[in-house]
Amino acid sequence: AQKVTQAQTEISVVEKEDVTLDCVYETRDTTYYLFWYKQPPSGELVFLIRRNSFDEQNEISGRYSWNFQKSTSSFNFTITASQVVDSAVYFCALSDSITSGTYKYIFGTGTRLKVLA
Amino acid sequence: SQTIHQWPATLVQPVGSPLSLECTVEGTSNPNLYWYRQAAGRGLQLLFYSVGIGQISSEVPQNLSASRPQDRQFILSSKKLLLSDSGFYLCAWSVRAGHTEAFFGQGTRLTVV
Repeated sequence: AQKVTQAQTEISVVEKEDVTLDCVYETRDTTYYLFWYKQPPSGELVFLIRRNSFDEQNEISGRYSWNFQKSTSSFNFTITASQVVDSAVYFCALSDSITSGTYKYIFGTGTRLKVLA
Repeated sequence: SQTIHQWPATLVQPVGSPLSLECTVEGTSNPNLYWYRQAAGRGLQLLFYSVGIGQISSEVPQNLSASRPQDRQFILSSKKLLLSDSGFYLCAWSVRAGHTEAFFGQGTRLTVV
């Protein structure tokens, strides 16, 4: 069955510390996509990144970086030099094929990140 | 550019009352549409998805229903709300063809009292 596990329920760090959010997934598909979303206190989910199953290159975007390892079915997210504005709930998600061209999204339970000044 | 509108932002309804939440997407056609619910302190649960007008798939049997009367309109309804229907409801859309991300509305916080 398709499943996403975010074992860290809540993480607290002090500003400027690095923090890694873990994501482990299970899928029956050979082609799939993984996503990270940020949910600030306002509630709206903000898309951060999409990664396909054939591309295991790590990606860096400013202070954000993502480590995709197919061998361990993990897609971890690291924030370098964290800032108070990074405080939010972060969700990892997995695409689940319904039909050709149609997908639904399986979400983990989220990790609440608190960055303290 | 594409935008998604969801309303109302907050809603307080008594037990047993009906519910109608509306979501519309602009700037795209033939999208996949989704309704998710987020219970307090929990993850996102997929409730319904739709691949076209009148085509609704339910993921979780419950007190809710969904309809898609127009290509870019998705409605979540209930005839009689239960206390357990309280939560944060999010509408989302994605492009029909190919693997893409889903884009979410701002959500509706529903409290059933």
